Amino acid sequence: QSVLTQPPSASGTPGQRVTIPCSGSSSNIGSTYVYWYQQVPGTAPKLLVYRNDQRPSGVPDRFSGSKSGTSASLAISGLRSDDEADYYCAAWDDSLSGRWVFGGGTKLTVL
Amino acid sequence: QLQLHESGPGLVKPSETLSLTCTVSGFTITRNDYYWGWIRQPPGKGLDWIGSASYSGSDYYNPSLKSRVTISVDASKSQVSLRLSSVTAADTAVYYCARLSGSGSYEYYYMDVWGKGTTVTVSS
Repeated sequence: QSVLTQPPSASGTPGQRVTIPCSGSSSNIGSTYVYWYQQVPGTAPKLLVYRNDQRPSGVPDRFSGSKSGTSASLAISGLRSDDEADYYCAAWDDSLSGRWVFGGGTKLTVL
Repeated sequence: QLQLHESGPGLVKPSETLSLTCTVSGFTITRNDYYWGWIRQPPGKGLDWIGSASYSGSDYYNPSLKSRVTISVDASKSQVSLRLSSVTAADTAVYYCARLSGSGSYEYYYMDVWGKGTTVTVSS
């Protein structure tokens, strides 16, 4: 059972806009930044969004993050076939002496 | 260009100690404004943070693993090591090394560059 909650799957057609939600609590998302990672099967996770809504250099502006209260979301616009991957949200949780926590991951399928 | 390369035994026996090394290239491992961490991913499952350490000696561990984990930074070899004792089958996973960037208190550091990972199986 992951501390952050994500739907196990999401899907969309090429060109469509898809949103992946992430729900947490006051000890994690509600009190600090949210991060998003993309993991293509068989490869390492890649940072997509940091500090709620910032993109590292090289990440297309089709990817955008937002946060409100104890929830966050990742939006992907202009969906492409190579966006098919697992997406994880992450945040620092200040309970239990502090720890990084992740969502269970959302598998995005491009139909 | 920063690169992280994990290495170590692919098979560890139950109750033994898992030891992995992450070799850092293209970056100065002794910089004070960075941490180095380990994250694992059991087969078919999500990500699980193990812990992080800095060259200056600050370290943070997942409370669920703290009694079994040690992470250290060796500047002379530009390596970050992970030791996990008393392993069981539940420790079977792909283990990733990552750099953490940020500023201020530790909660504002985040994993921005990851290695490709190394697979560890715990079995007799």
